[in-house]
Amino acid sequence: EDQVTQSPEALRLQEGESSSLNCSYTVSGLRGLFWYRQDPGKGPEFLFTLYSAGEEKEKERLKATLTKKESFLHITAPKPEDSATYLCAVQNSGYSTLTFGKGTMLLVSP
Amino acid sequence: DAGVTQSPTHLIKTRGQQVTLRCSPISGHKSVSWYQQVLGQGPQFIFQYYEKEERGRGNFPDRFSARQFPNYSSELNVNALLLGDSALYLCASSQTGDPQYFGPGTRLTVT
Repeated sequence: EDQVTQSPEALRLQEGESSSLNCSYTVSGLRGLFWYRQDPGKGPEFLFTLYSAGEEKEKERLKATLTKKESFLHITAPKPEDSATYLCAVQNSGYSTLTFGKGTMLLVSP
Repeated sequence: DAGVTQSPTHLIKTRGQQVTLRCSPISGHKSVSWYQQVLGQGPQFIFQYYEKEERGRGNFPDRFSARQFPNYSSELNVNALLLGDSALYLCASSQTGDPQYFGPGTRLTVT
């Protein structure tokens, strides 16, 4: 059974204080690892897809990396508008469904 | 281009009732998936449809059913509602299976 564990559960940062979110996974054949951002009461917003170990993707202040066992979402000099829950999900090579972690709730204070 | 749309936005039902949720995928996307998200948890997979055929089903009781129409829109039906069915129901569409793009969700409250 595919499993995704995200840490920490919650993270509070000051504006400009860089940090990283962790996503550990076990999957029988990784087809892809996905990062989403979710604002309260809304649907997840797609950020990145990573397919193989060593791959990196960047978007504004966010950078996602992937190893064989985990992925990191690095946030550089965050702003209050980066406050949201960040979800990690894996896709099994045999299926197209996503298995999600519980998410990391990020709060960036001005 | 319009994203994934879902209706209704909010819904309040009584235990034992039935509910139908609707989803329209992004134009050109033939795959639709449904997820349930309870507060404080990540989305949990319910169903996936591709070209009007069920391609996957999550660990949910038979009270949950879905279908996809020729225009690729989809409905999720839940019968005999329980308090535990209260959640945000998310629909996602995709072109080849990944990435999946999510709609705004339908907030279902069962009283």
